[in-house]
Amino acid sequence: SQTIHQWPATLVQPVGSPLSLECTVEGTSNPNLYWYRQAAGRGLQLLFYSVGIGQISSEVPQNLSASRPQDRQFILSSKKLLLSDSGFYLCAWSVRGVAGGQETQYFGPGTRLLVL
Amino acid sequence: AQSVAQPEDQVNVAEGNPLTVKCTYSVSGNPYLFWYVQYPNRGLQFLLKYITGDNLVKGSYGFEAEFNKSQTSFHLKKPSALVSDSALYFCAVRVGGFQKLVFGTGTRLLVSP
Repeated sequence: SQTIHQWPATLVQPVGSPLSLECTVEGTSNPNLYWYRQAAGRGLQLLFYSVGIGQISSEVPQNLSASRPQDRQFILSSKKLLLSDSGFYLCAWSVRGVAGGQETQYFGPGTRLLVL
Repeated sequence: AQSVAQPEDQVNVAEGNPLTVKCTYSVSGNPYLFWYVQYPNRGLQFLLKYITGDNLVKGSYGFEAEFNKSQTSFHLKKPSALVSDSALYFCAVRVGGFQKLVFGTGTRLLVSP
């Protein structure tokens, strides 16, 4: 069966420090991968998605970047964190190649980031 | 543009009573509709989805949802609520192709003993 891991689970970082959050998926190949941010415990905002190694699409301009160095690894980064980067970051995966957008997205456990 | 609305910020129900969490959508085309549940400090868990076919979709943990095209709704239901169902519920919609999954703002369900 497929599993998705995220680490760390919780992170407290000072303003201006760098960030690296990691997401890995097991039990599947060639997944689509996604990064979401959930602010204030409610709405989810899609940040980035990837359909393959080195292929990253950004949904909103911001202080963050994403990379996919390996097929099942997705990394969210920042060179200098802002207070507004605080939130709950969720990684998700879906099967690639299913026609028509029917595929389900499956979410990881999330990383709670607090920028002070 | 596609969108989804969850008109209730919170739903309160007593244990053993039926529950409904409402969702309406707006898309140009045939929608794919999803329900997810989120427990505190956890990721989202997939409950069920509607792609095509039977308008009543059954999912995990005894939940079901009814797709109503004329009312553009996809309400989540359960015949008998459990205290453990208390959580945050998200409805989401996507139109075909690689388009992003658009989430509602979430509805907090509180089931009292």
